Amino acid sequence: DARVTQTPRDKVTEMGQEVTMRCQPILGHNTVFWYRQTMMQGLELLAYFRNRAPLDDSGMPKDRFSAEMPDATLATLKIQPSEPRDSAVYFCASGLVLAGVPDETQYFGPGTRLLVL
Amino acid sequence: AQKVTQAQTEISVVEKEDVTLDCVYETRDTTYYLFWYKQPPSGELVFLIRRNSFDEQNEISGRYSWNFQKSTSSFNFTITASQVVDSAVYFCALSEWGYGGATNKLIFGTGTLLAVQP
Repeated sequence: DARVTQTPRDKVTEMGQEVTMRCQPILGHNTVFWYRQTMMQGLELLAYFRNRAPLDDSGMPKDRFSAEMPDATLATLKIQPSEPRDSAVYFCASGLVLAGVPDETQYFGPGTRLLVL
Repeated sequence: AQKVTQAQTEISVVEKEDVTLDCVYETRDTTYYLFWYKQPPSGELVFLIRRNSFDEQNEISGRYSWNFQKSTSSFNFTITASQVVDSAVYFCALSEWGYGGATNKLIFGTGTLLAVQP
């Protein structure tokens, strides 16, 4: 049963600390997304990658957030320095997009619940 | 602009009742995908269904059914004979097929909280 995995599941940190969230996409998927869910904003896209290349990170606060894919099996989202307003659930999702085939479903990981004090 | 509207914030029903969750979308594209996801109290997002803009056939899967109507830009979700385990937040989402390939960004609605009482 292929699933997206995310670590850590929960993270409590103090303002100013660096936070790193990791995601392992479903094996064989070539597209990875980072979403953030808050009560006020709902689910919003932060960034996404295809074949490890960043395609869009316009949803991310550039000054403190960064997203990377060091290899096809790992995506990371970093916040440095963290602020209380970053408290949210961060979801990673993966999908398979083939050239010329308009077909893609995003499968979500369990999320990382972040609380910045 | 792309937009997904789920006007029902919360719905409460008694077990075995049928319930319909509404979803209305806006898009300029002729090619797009619509999705429903379920978010149970445990928090994960579970994929339920995908529909492309060229396929208006209704779909039924067990107690779940979906009614896609392009004329009204709606993609409604019905649960028949609801059960307590159906209690969750349900999200409708839109993905567009942009020039040169799918943009793949999911635009989510605000979700509908469904509470099924025993």
